[in-house]
Amino acid sequence: AQSVAQPEDQVNVAEGNPLTVKCTYSVSGNPYLFWYVQYPNRGLQFLLKYITGDNLVKGSYGFEAEFNKSQTSFHLKKPSALVSDSALYFCAVRDGTAGGFKTIFGAGTRLFVKA
Amino acid sequence: NAGVTQTPKFQVLKTGQSMTLQCAQDMNHEYMSWYRQDPGMGLRLIHYSVGAGITDQGEVPNGYNVSRSTTEDFPLRLLSAAPSQTSVYFCASSYGQGKGHEQYFGPGTRLTVT
Repeated sequence: AQSVAQPEDQVNVAEGNPLTVKCTYSVSGNPYLFWYVQYPNRGLQFLLKYITGDNLVKGSYGFEAEFNKSQTSFHLKKPSALVSDSALYFCAVRDGTAGGFKTIFGAGTRLFVKA
Repeated sequence: NAGVTQTPKFQVLKTGQSMTLQCAQDMNHEYMSWYRQDPGMGLRLIHYSVGAGITDQGEVPNGYNVSRSTTEDFPLRLLSAAPSQTSVYFCASSYGQGKGHEQYFGPGTRLTVT
């Protein structure tokens, strides 16, 4: 069965500092990994994904994530945080095996960026 | 394109009532899903569909039914509402195998069951 763990309920960072939001996963086949962001009273928006290829993937708004197969991790990073990055972030995993579609989400990590 | 639309935005039900949450997408996506979002629990998959006429259960299917008679529509039915079904419900869609993979989400339906 697939599962996703986001070990931190909340991450606090000062504006201008680098940020990391952690994610580990479990899936039986090849992992398709995603990060989504949710702003207050809104639906989720796609940020970036890892399907195959380069372990470092770049996405929207200056975010990037590193796929680490041995540690089964897919941490979200940004070199310099903005106050406007404050939001709820979700990691998700899908079984990339042919025919697999079910996508499971983590519990979410709330990011606070202080000016 | 309107993307993924959901109606209603808000709904209050009494215990035991039934209702249908509507979801539609105009992107010709094969895959559609329903999630519920509860504080501290993230998004949990209720049901999903990989194409018209094909549905399957997710993590928390009990108390909910779905059908997929067309590519565009994926309604979620609550058969007999319970207070435990108070939640925010999101519908999502995506392309099938070999294309895209990321999901597009609707704005959500906030449901309260009293």
